[in-house]
Amino acid sequence: AQSVTQPDIHITVSEGASLELRCNYSYGATPYLFWYVQSPGQGLQLLLKYFSGDTLVQGIKGFEAEFKRSQSSFNLRKPSVHWSDAAEYFCAVGGGADGLTFGKGTHLIIQP
Amino acid sequence: DVKVTQSSRYLVKRTGEKVFLECVQDMDHENMFWYRQDPGLGLRLIYFSYDVKMKEKGDIPEGYSVSREKKERFSLILESASTNQTSMYLCASSSTSLYGGVSYEQYFGPGTRLTVT
Repeated sequence: AQSVTQPDIHITVSEGASLELRCNYSYGATPYLFWYVQSPGQGLQLLLKYFSGDTLVQGIKGFEAEFKRSQSSFNLRKPSVHWSDAAEYFCAVGGGADGLTFGKGTHLIIQP
Repeated sequence: DVKVTQSSRYLVKRTGEKVFLECVQDMDHENMFWYRQDPGLGLRLIYFSYDVKMKEKGDIPEGYSVSREKKERFSLILESASTNQTSMYLCASSSTSLYGGVSYEQYFGPGTRLTVT
């Protein structure tokens, strides 16, 4: 069965600092990988996705993620965070007939 | 842009009531999903649908049913609401991937926060 682990429940970063959110997945074949962001009281918005090809993918809002097959990871990065990046971030994996499996989320707090 | 709308942002119902949550998407997507979201548990799949009149159980279908009479509309039904169904409910839709399956990117609605008292 597919699964996603986001090891960090909360992360606090100072505004302007770099960010890395971790995501590890378990999947039997080549996965489709996604990062979503959820602002308070809102639905989920797709940040970026990986299907195949270049393992470094660029997304919206200045985010990027790197697929590392050997580590079963798909970590999300941003070189300089803004206060508006404070939100909940979800990693998801899929590729078969059962839809997407989501991690439990990482809550990002931005310190001024 | 894909638009997924949900009938209510906030809903308060009493225990034992029958509750309908409606979801509509405007991109002719084949697949639609209902999730519930609870703090510390992330998103959990309740039901999904590949096509009109088709439905598949997700991870936590107990206490819920669904209806898909038209391609653009997917309804979640709580036959007899209970307090443990107080949650945020999220609807999503997606198109079928090139290789079949139901794992293309999903587009989400704004959510319905349901409180059962």
